[in-house]
Amino acid sequence: QQQVKQSPQSLIVQKGGIPIINCAYENTAFDYFPWYQQFPGKGPALLIAIRPDVSEKKEGRFTISFNKSAKQFSLHIMDSQPGDSATYFCAASIGGADGLTFGKGTHLIIQP
Amino acid sequence: EAQVTQNPRYLITVTGKKLTVTCSQNMNHEYMSWYRQDPGLGLRQIYYSMNVEVTDKGDVPEGYKVSRKEKRNFPLILESPSPNQTSLYFCASSLHPGTYGYTFGSGTRLTVV
Repeated sequence: QQQVKQSPQSLIVQKGGIPIINCAYENTAFDYFPWYQQFPGKGPALLIAIRPDVSEKKEGRFTISFNKSAKQFSLHIMDSQPGDSATYFCAASIGGADGLTFGKGTHLIIQP
Repeated sequence: EAQVTQNPRYLITVTGKKLTVTCSQNMNHEYMSWYRQDPGLGLRQIYYSMNVEVTDKGDVPEGYKVSRKEKRNFPLILESPSPNQTSLYFCASSLHPGTYGYTFGSGTRLTVV
């Protein structure tokens, strides 16, 4: 049973556009929702994270929107650049102590 | 430099030959974890540890062992590797994953033939 469903699997956006990656979860006990960015040949790196007591969080060009009632959260990348081309993973955890449950990832390409 | 170091980066081995992938972190983190990454399946947790001598199974622990004898080290052991364990493995550490997220190593690409 996949606990975090991520879509789309791949996404191509023109430079300057706003790619949106969506995740949905089932377990209402999840209380920490991070996004990770992974470049080829590298390990995932924490990008931004949110808790369910807020509906939105911004860090630079990256924004997480969180809808607790719908059990969904999404990543928006403003003014996207070719350097943002990477694989993005959403994740969720309960209390954050025992590890993260990841979505299957979104391969994002930003075309010049 | 604060980092998680995995060795080796690449490994080709034969079925049934015991191997160990080492993981070390220099950030004095309490929490460490192992994940495997497979195409179309994302990252799946194998084992995690909340402190020295405290380990627990993740989502896909079958065929793997771990130990946490020291805070900085968290080796992954494959007693009898099989081809379905061919994968990209990541070690990660954190002060507290629910607050700070995980810092990941650069990965170990394992091929079992």
